[in-house]
Amino acid sequence: DAGVTQSPTHLIKTRGQHVTLRCSPISGHKSVSWYQQVLGQGPQFIFQYYEKEERGRGNFPDRFSARQFPNYSSELNVNALLLGDSALYLCASSSEGAYNSPLHFGNGTRLTVT
Amino acid sequence: EDQVTQSPEALRLQEGESSSLNCSYTVSGLRGLFWYRQDPGKGPEFLFTLYSAGEEKEKERLKATLTKKESFLHITAPKPEDSATYLCAVQAVGYSTLTFGKGTMLLVSP
Repeated sequence: DAGVTQSPTHLIKTRGQHVTLRCSPISGHKSVSWYQQVLGQGPQFIFQYYEKEERGRGNFPDRFSARQFPNYSSELNVNALLLGDSALYLCASSSEGAYNSPLHFGNGTRLTVT
Repeated sequence: EDQVTQSPEALRLQEGESSSLNCSYTVSGLRGLFWYRQDPGKGPEFLFTLYSAGEEKEKERLKATLTKKESFLHITAPKPEDSATYLCAVQAVGYSTLTFGKGTMLLVSP
């Protein structure tokens, strides 16, 4: 079975631009979460969606937004990019809203803001 | 606020030299403690979930244990392919999100 897939794998953007990252969860998983991992740090929670509804939001500015589609895939959007947004963006999926199932991560999108 | 502290930050072992990684946590109410392995340029790979103090889980050369304040990941007779960053995360009761530590970077030399 295919795991969590993310696209693109790498991205270079300029300050002030906008970016859209995409994620396809494991087949059958209805929950998608987004995490940001800065170099040398652990992943930090951004959003969680379950059955197309936002279940949680981390401590990130309103420049960050996300949505989940009827097929359970998801997009993370970041507006007005800052240098500090450079990071590995990880998508994770789980079944049952993640209360009793672990998160399974994709390999991430490496975003570089110049 | 939930907090996870992992130590050491980095660990270098010779092949076959057993050791332990530590994960100390504070959480309002623990629903689960998770261990992940992360290779360079990859996403975290799920290893274990522990739910209650005294619980232990094993997978090949790895064994995870849990107390009310910390978890240990014991690595027995490690091999070079065990080299990776090991991440610990907690999930609080009533929440589905994970709070991660910074990880321990393990390097096993032949």
